[in-house]
Amino acid sequence: GENVEQHPSTLSVQEGDSAVIKCTYSDSASNYFPWYKQELGKGSQLIIDIRSNVGEKKDQRIAVTLNKTAKHFSLHITETQPEDSAVYFCAAHFRRALTFGSGTRLQVQP
Amino acid sequence: EAQVTQNPRYLITVTGKKLTVTCSQNMNHEYMSWYRQDPGLGLRQIYYSMNVEVTDKGDVPEGYKVSRKEKRNFPLILESPSPNQTSLYFCASSYRDSTDTQYFGPGTRLTVL
Repeated sequence: GENVEQHPSTLSVQEGDSAVIKCTYSDSASNYFPWYKQELGKGSQLIIDIRSNVGEKKDQRIAVTLNKTAKHFSLHITETQPEDSAVYFCAAHFRRALTFGSGTRLQVQP
Repeated sequence: EAQVTQNPRYLITVTGKKLTVTCSQNMNHEYMSWYRQDPGLGLRQIYYSMNVEVTDKGDVPEGYKVSRKEKRNFPLILESPSPNQTSLYFCASSYRDSTDTQYFGPGTRLTVL
């Protein structure tokens, strides 16, 4: 099956700085890579996703890049704000299911 | 309001006492799934369902059962809970399959003593 590794497990940045979270996946057949944000006490919400025929996607302060050859994808958050503080999960789609990474706790210091 | 609801939100029980966690969505979604979240392990899929009466195992199905008799409901059943099933559980649904946006419920924190 698919295996997804996510780094770092915790990340602390100053407000206004950029944050980068990286994930690697094992199965080259994976074709869809979403990122979810989980705020304290809530379920996760999709923030951005990318499909395997695209190398980069951007939505305002959030961007995702995909390197299919190296089998890794990354989340980039620019101009971080305190409300960006949350746990972020990457995932890779293989066959009928998503496999999630272990999560990154992002803390944005005001 | 489009949402996924789970009940109960918190549950403390004892080993061996059967329990059911309910999940319901009001978006007419075909795909539903259950995940457990444990520190350092992220979200791991327990079971998923592609539609009514169609269910399949995820990565960690041992000790769990599910059913999908109606499109909106996807209960998770622990017939004989054990302490290693203490976890945070999330139900999710999406329009058609796992490549569509997953809408997560608020979570159920289960403690098995």
